[in-house]
Amino acid sequence: GENVEQHPSTLSVQEGDSAVIKCTYSDSASNYFPWYKQELGKRPQLIIDIRSNVGEKKDQRIAVTLNKTAKHFSLHITETQPEDSAVYFCAARFGYALNFGKGTSLLVTP
Amino acid sequence: GAVVSQHPSWVICKSGTSVKIECRSLDFQATTMFWYRQFPKQSLMLMATSNEGSKATYEQGVEKDKFLINHASLTLSTLTVTSAHPEDSSFYICSAPPSKQGGYEQYFGPGTRLTVT
Repeated sequence: GENVEQHPSTLSVQEGDSAVIKCTYSDSASNYFPWYKQELGKRPQLIIDIRSNVGEKKDQRIAVTLNKTAKHFSLHITETQPEDSAVYFCAARFGYALNFGKGTSLLVTP
Repeated sequence: GAVVSQHPSWVICKSGTSVKIECRSLDFQATTMFWYRQFPKQSLMLMATSNEGSKATYEQGVEKDKFLINHASLTLSTLTVTSAHPEDSSFYICSAPPSKQGGYEQYFGPGTRLTVT
């Protein structure tokens, strides 16, 4: 099955700085790569996603890049704010379901 | 649109009892639903894929006789944890794509916190 590796597991940045989270996947047939933000005890919230026919996508302070050749994709958050603090998960669509990375706990300090 | 609900939101049960969790698509039909389990400070792990009108597909290592899945209609899938034990305590989340043909995005339910004492 699909194996999704995510790094780092924890990330601490100062407010206003950028944060980058990286993921790699193993199955070259994967064609959809969403990123989720999850707050404690709540459902994952989709923040951005990218399909395999696109290399980059941006939505205000959030961007995702995809390198199909290298099988890795990254989440970029610019101008971080304390409310960005949460756990972030990457995922790759394998067949019909999603396989998730282990998550990154992001802390943005004022 | 594309709202998924779960019931109950939390449940406490005694060891050895069974618990049923419902997952409903409120404004769309879902021929397929996914069930995930998330232990504290861990990621979401796919347990099984629920298919309307047919048997569920379980991931490796998930006991199908312990986690009974029924997808009897296009808007309802249920997960029954039978003979629950403390190690089954977890956050259970369902999700569904918003169309019969499937789609890329999945919509997650709010999750059910199960505590087995």
